[in-house]
Amino acid sequence: QKEVEQNSGPLSVPEGAIASLNCTYSDRVSQSFFWYRQYSGKSPELIMSIYSNGDKEDGRFTAQLNKASQYVSLLIRDSQPSDSATYLCAVRPSSASKIIFGSGTRLSIRP
Amino acid sequence: DAGVIQSPRHEVTEMGQEVTLRCKPISGHNSLFWYRQTMMRGLELLIYFNNNVPIDDSGMPEDRFSAKMPNASFSTLKIQPSEPRDSAVYFCASSLGVSYNEQFFGPGTRLTVL
Repeated sequence: QKEVEQNSGPLSVPEGAIASLNCTYSDRVSQSFFWYRQYSGKSPELIMSIYSNGDKEDGRFTAQLNKASQYVSLLIRDSQPSDSATYLCAVRPSSASKIIFGSGTRLSIRP
Repeated sequence: DAGVIQSPRHEVTEMGQEVTLRCKPISGHNSLFWYRQTMMRGLELLIYFNNNVPIDDSGMPEDRFSAKMPNASFSTLKIQPSEPRDSAVYFCASSLGVSYNEQFFGPGTRLTVL
């Protein structure tokens, strides 16, 4: 089992709809969770971080964390074509360890 | 402020040659990370430094790979000898501390080994 798992996609969502991206992780004591966006040919950039159970909202983005079920999700409301990218889920199992990245989900917003 | 700077941006070399990738972290950041990204394996952490000291190099694939951080503003990743399977995009990232802090990625070096 991979430490961080994501569906590779592509996930196709119509413009204006809600895009839902999911991620599961294997280490139950993981403490920090991140979503990175990576445009084709570019480097990853952090868009959300979440550390406690529940929802965290930032503009059109909402991160959801459920530690009991070991999953973290990212919702993108009012999807725009500019949201088309690969979204990487990343997990830090403990405060002193490295971040583990998932393989990414490719999101395509169709006009 | 300048972000993470990497050079070269593109490198094409022949099998067996030595390759050196360079990284300048964001000023004030004390943690530096080297990643490799391929379609097959995704984004893999190769090694990371904290306060110029290598902390975890378990991701370095073979002895052909080595990394140094002689001071807080410069790091190198060297591959000697290079092989075609080393072809990938190599990213450097830096952060303020290792825990709970955002990692800022450089633009990457696209390495092609023929």
